[in-house]
Amino acid sequence: GAVVSQHPSRVICKSGTSVKIECRSLDFQATTMFWYRQFPKQSLMLMATSNEGSKATYEQGVEKDKFLINHASLTLSTLTVTSAHPEDSSFYICSATTGFSYEQYFGPGTRLTVT
Amino acid sequence: GEDVEQSLFLSVREGDSSVINCTYTDSSSTYLYWYKQEPGAGLQLLTYIFSNMDMKQDQRLTVLLNKKDKHLSLRIADTQTGDSAIYFCAENGSGNTGKLIFGQGTTLQVKP
Repeated sequence: GAVVSQHPSRVICKSGTSVKIECRSLDFQATTMFWYRQFPKQSLMLMATSNEGSKATYEQGVEKDKFLINHASLTLSTLTVTSAHPEDSSFYICSATTGFSYEQYFGPGTRLTVT
Repeated sequence: GEDVEQSLFLSVREGDSSVINCTYTDSSSTYLYWYKQEPGAGLQLLTYIFSNMDMKQDQRLTVLLNKKDKHLSLRIADTQTGDSAIYFCAENGSGNTGKLIFGQGTTLQVKP
């Protein structure tokens, strides 16, 4: 149980285009989802907290107009990187929690490369 | 502020025990976690411990918590080559927001 999927697993896009990454909880309802960014050989940096049906809460320094987050249902959150630039290239990981447990389950990550 | 520190690298021989250490600063954390990340993959929750516990054992994994010193350790018994990965310590901090604060990760290398 407690499986989180992400799609796509890898994406290459041209500079200036937008990319959407999906995060799904497959066998549980996720009241809260989190989006992280991970640079090579570094830890995870929390970008935003997403609660179903409400606006995401962004961490300091994260541009909300650049990283659009939508959490339209209890099993799906999306992260859209708008007008992507090479410096947005990174590993993006989502996680989900039921809100009834302190366990947080992570997706397999999406490798974004902007050329 | 909230901060979690880990040593960056540990090398052990197959069959030995591995001990990965972590220190944290937020004494109000209620849960502390250990996650495993294999190359190119997401994080796998290994175990977690409630802050009022001193120890938790789960098969080959033993977590020790010294709340006074804000020190957490993960011991892996009979380490196997498949245990080679990056191990992240995390705390849930204060405020009950669900947010996790991660350490830098410890790369565990298991030599045959």
